[in-house]
Amino acid sequence: GAVVSQHPSWVICKSGTSVKIECRSLDFQATTMFWYRQFPKQSLMLMATSNEGSKATYEQGVEKDKFLINHASLTLSTLTVTSAHPEDSSFYICSASRLAGDEADTQYFGPGTRLTVL
Amino acid sequence: AQSVTQLDSHVSVSEGTPVLLRCNYSSSYSPSLFWYVQHPNKGLQLLLKYTSAATLVKGINGFEAEFKKSETSFHLTKPSAHMSDAAEYFCVVTEAAGNKLTFGGGTRVLVKP
Repeated sequence: GAVVSQHPSWVICKSGTSVKIECRSLDFQATTMFWYRQFPKQSLMLMATSNEGSKATYEQGVEKDKFLINHASLTLSTLTVTSAHPEDSSFYICSASRLAGDEADTQYFGPGTRLTVL
Repeated sequence: AQSVTQLDSHVSVSEGTPVLLRCNYSSSYSPSLFWYVQHPNKGLQLLLKYTSAATLVKGINGFEAEFKKSETSFHLTKPSAHMSDAAEYFCVVTEAAGNKLTFGGGTRVLVKP
């Protein structure tokens, strides 16, 4: 158990367009989902934390109007990169933690989405 | 505040020899500690987790880690490296459920035939 999927796995878009990335917990309910960004050969950088049914909490320096996060259900969170520009090109990874119990502090990661903005 | 230091950015081993990845942490509370592995262009896979039940934690794929509070360390080991172990490894700490993870800088493992 504890499988997280992301869709799409890769996307190429033109500058100025918006891109939506989906993150789903397939076999468990996730109270909290996290969105990370990873640059080549670097560690993961947390962008935001989202709880089902409430507004996401963004990390310092992350533009909430540019990176729209929606966590509409206990199994789905979406990240929309609005008006994408080449500097938004990156590897975006989501993670999810279980509803409760002794696994609540463990994050399970999706396979990532490679975004390339031309 | 919590922090994680992975002491080696790169580790190179020969296939069949032991692997040691070093991790030191600092935390104000009793932390949960994790090791994740990331293969190229993939997400992170959980190798193992420490939550105070036992100081020696066994994980998947033959990996294990030992929590040493006196040394604030959580080193990852494997007795015999396999080619498929070539990947990036992250040591991670969190202080409570739902809290943010703090990542180490990562250690890239190269396995030579």
